[in-house]
Amino acid sequence: QVQLVESGGGVVQPGRSLRLSCAASAFNFDTYTIHWVRQAPGQGLQWVATVSYDGSQKRYTDSVKGRFSISRDNFRRTLYLQLSSLGIEDTALYFCARGGQGRNSRGPLDLWGPGTMVTVS
Amino acid sequence: DIQLTQSPPFLSASVGDRVTITCRASQHISSSLAWYQQKPGKAPKLLIYDASTLQSGVPSRFSGSGSGTEFTLTISSLQPEDFASYSCQQLNTYPPTFGGGTKVDIK
Repeated sequence: QVQLVESGGGVVQPGRSLRLSCAASAFNFDTYTIHWVRQAPGQGLQWVATVSYDGSQKRYTDSVKGRFSISRDNFRRTLYLQLSSLGIEDTALYFCARGGQGRNSRGPLDLWGPGTMVTVS
Repeated sequence: DIQLTQSPPFLSASVGDRVTITCRASQHISSSLAWYQQKPGKAPKLLIYDASTLQSGVPSRFSGSGSGTEFTLTISSLQPEDFASYSCQQLNTYPPTFGGGTKVDIK
């Protein structure tokens, strides 16, 4: 089954770190741009970070630059998001989502995982 | 960053109604706009991309139009399963920002 499944969320104290994972199944993971998108309780969607299909290009929203790090392991078909110096404002449901294929980093997000909740408290 | 403004933020409608949601971009984004549907506690689902292209498997009652800075999502005849939140996203320029969302509920 073509899917993405996130894990690694939980309750963490302010200032601490957490690593999220996103496991891909049944598609050519190593040919797609993958995004992290988050949604704070009761709020809209916020793009967080993107990594290119080969891991060579990484981009972040301003509010997480220097604190979050996106990476991928194409052999393990897994995406990661390292969250550091967490603040209450980082409390959200974190989704990974599949974007464009190959060098197209601007494709729509056509496959989403169910999300993993991060609570900073 | 490009700002996307959706209107209305909330919409009450009945089954069978024609519903239109607007998304306005703060800068020209060509046709690089996607629409997503999201139900409570679930992941978003891609409905429309490139402003007007229907994603595979999405019912034909959904349609999108527009280019430049103004875009619309139309549901031609609202069905019970369409009561949800809808968000636009621009993919023209990084960061790929989202609109604030429109919640469609039952009148």
